[in-house]
Amino acid sequence: GQNIDQPTEMTATEGAIVQINCTYQTSGFNGLFWYQQHAGEAPTFLSYNVLDGLEEKGRFSSFLSRSKGYSYLLLKELQMKDSASYLCAAPFGSGYNKLIFGAGTRLAVHP
Amino acid sequence: DTEVTQTPKHLVMGMTNKKSLKCEQHMGHRAMYWYKQKAKKPPELMFVYSYEKLSINESVPSRFSPECPNSSHLFLHLHTLQPEDSALYLCASSHTPGRRGEDEQYFGPGTRLTVT
Repeated sequence: GQNIDQPTEMTATEGAIVQINCTYQTSGFNGLFWYQQHAGEAPTFLSYNVLDGLEEKGRFSSFLSRSKGYSYLLLKELQMKDSASYLCAAPFGSGYNKLIFGAGTRLAVHP
Repeated sequence: DTEVTQTPKHLVMGMTNKKSLKCEQHMGHRAMYWYKQKAKKPPELMFVYSYEKLSINESVPSRFSPECPNSSHLFLHLHTLQPEDSALYLCASSHTPGRRGEDEQYFGPGTRLTVT
């Protein structure tokens, strides 16, 4: 079976750095996605990792360790608008079209 | 055009009604998806269409009936729903079915459905 775990809630201060962790146990691995979802809005793509290491995209970076079944999303220079849910997700199934989401981490950024 | 659109944005229907949700994309994507999302929960996959053919049905009750008449449009037909079916219904699309995992999915804004 597939299992994806991430913390339910986190809080951080504007301007700070926050790391959101995701662990997964899967019968196969085809990469890991991070999506951002503001309340009442659609999820939007942030990153995809399939190889070990850190990928940086502006203020957001994503890390993957396949041997540890572990990923994290790093958000730097936090802004109030970064308050959202962050969803870790992995593709499965024939054609890898079946995207399984973790429960999501609700991040609250305070002034 | 990098947008997935969904109509209506909000829908209130009685348990005996029949209604349809519509999704549209013009990015040339050949995989389209329906998800159901309850409050404070992640999206749950319902159906996947690959090249306009139904490829995944996640054991969804038959009161939900998907249709993909062409590569740009996706529908979810609803009839005799239950109050517990109230949720946000998200449509998504991605580029190429069958390519290894890396195609991100583009989500529409969703239809917020309330069943009374």
